[in-house]
Amino acid sequence: EAQVTQNPRYLITVTGKKLTVTCSQNMNHEYMSWYRQDPGLGLRQIYYSMNVEVTDKGDVPEGYKVSRKEKRNFPLILESPSPNQTSLYFCASSAGSGTAYSPLHFGNGTRLTVT
Amino acid sequence: AQKITQTQPGMFVQEKEAVTLDCTYDTSDQSYGLFWYKQPSSGEMIFLIYQGSYDEQNATEGRYSLNFQKARKSANLVISASQLGDSAMYFCAMSPINTNAGKSTFGDGTTLTVKP
Repeated sequence: EAQVTQNPRYLITVTGKKLTVTCSQNMNHEYMSWYRQDPGLGLRQIYYSMNVEVTDKGDVPEGYKVSRKEKRNFPLILESPSPNQTSLYFCASSAGSGTAYSPLHFGNGTRLTVT
Repeated sequence: AQKITQTQPGMFVQEKEAVTLDCTYDTSDQSYGLFWYKQPSSGEMIFLIYQGSYDEQNATEGRYSLNFQKARKSANLVISASQLGDSAMYFCAMSPINTNAGKSTFGDGTTLTVKP
């Protein structure tokens, strides 16, 4: 089954404790991206990757890191989480080199709480 | 910079009636893609419909159609014959084709409630 898999689904952590949210897709998509969803703010793009070893900042990259060493994986790293990073996070992938022509395929989301 | 505006935080519609969800956008890009996604209460994001800025005809997908008015920079979603399962949050989104390809911008969403 074609899918984007995020783990974990739920995560509660404390301020400053490094964490990684994994994202993997099995559709051979070149494009992957991360979003955070907060009430009343829709989805905001954190980082995106057009291909292996090619990443770029979205609208809200502060406090996050990403890497794209393999085509299928695009982990999101929070080196020192803070309470304002409490949010619902989505990973997504898309065919082709961008999202202008092809829809995003989303993972099921990761609900992160930072205390 | 791109911006998507969805002016209706919440909408109600009677079952079997049609409903229009508004979306206006602002961009300096000449070519772009416009998308609508549905997010049920279970939380997943589901793609509904796509319109390219260069497409002359409005997109349709089953009960969904996109009323695209390029000059007015609007891309409203029309749902015909609403069903109870259409109750969800709906997001309008856009992505440029050339400059900043890879960036995607979402609106704040509209919560649709279908009444029986």
